[in-house]
Amino acid sequence: GENVEQHPSTLSVQEGDSAVIKCTYSDSASNYFPWYKQELGKGPQLIIDIRSNVGEKKDQRIAVTLNKTAKHFSLHITETQPEDSAVYFCAASITDSWGKLQFGAGTQVVVTP
Amino acid sequence: NAGVTQTPKFQVLKTGQSMTLQCAQDMNHNSMYWYRQDPGMGLRLIYYSASEGTTDKGEVPNGYNVSRLNKREFSLRLESAAPSQTSVYFCASSYYSGAEKLFFGSGTQLSVL
Repeated sequence: GENVEQHPSTLSVQEGDSAVIKCTYSDSASNYFPWYKQELGKGPQLIIDIRSNVGEKKDQRIAVTLNKTAKHFSLHITETQPEDSAVYFCAASITDSWGKLQFGAGTQVVVTP
Repeated sequence: NAGVTQTPKFQVLKTGQSMTLQCAQDMNHNSMYWYRQDPGMGLRLIYYSASEGTTDKGEVPNGYNVSRLNKREFSLRLESAAPSQTSVYFCASSYYSGAEKLFFGSGTQLSVL
């Protein structure tokens, strides 16, 4: 089955700097790659997702890039703000796999003023 | 608009006790999911329901049962709780069948003593 590895496990950045989280996946058939943000005491919330027919997607200060050949994808957060502090999870799946979404272990991001 | 509602928010059980976690969504979503979240392990799928009337096992189904009561409600039952089931449980739903664009509830923190 699919295996997703996520790095780093913790990331501390100065407010205003950029943050980058990287994930690798094992199943070359995976074609859907979402990113979720989890604030303390809450459930994960989808912030951006990308499909394998797209190499990059942006939404305001966040962007995701996908390299199918290397089987890795990354989340980029620019101009970080204190409200970006949270745990971020990457995930991968095959869209017709009936629920088999595999999550990474998560990255704790701390934005310091 | 409540989204995904989970009850209870907290629960403490003794080994061998049983309980049911309730989940309801008001977004007319087709698929529903139960995940558990343990430190350093991301989210792991317990069971899912691709549509009303169907359920299937995920990655870690042992010790759990589910019921898709109707399109809105998806419950998770622990028949004989074990300390290894101490975790945070999240229910999620999606309009799609392939675990795309999941909406998560706020979670149930369960401790089994």
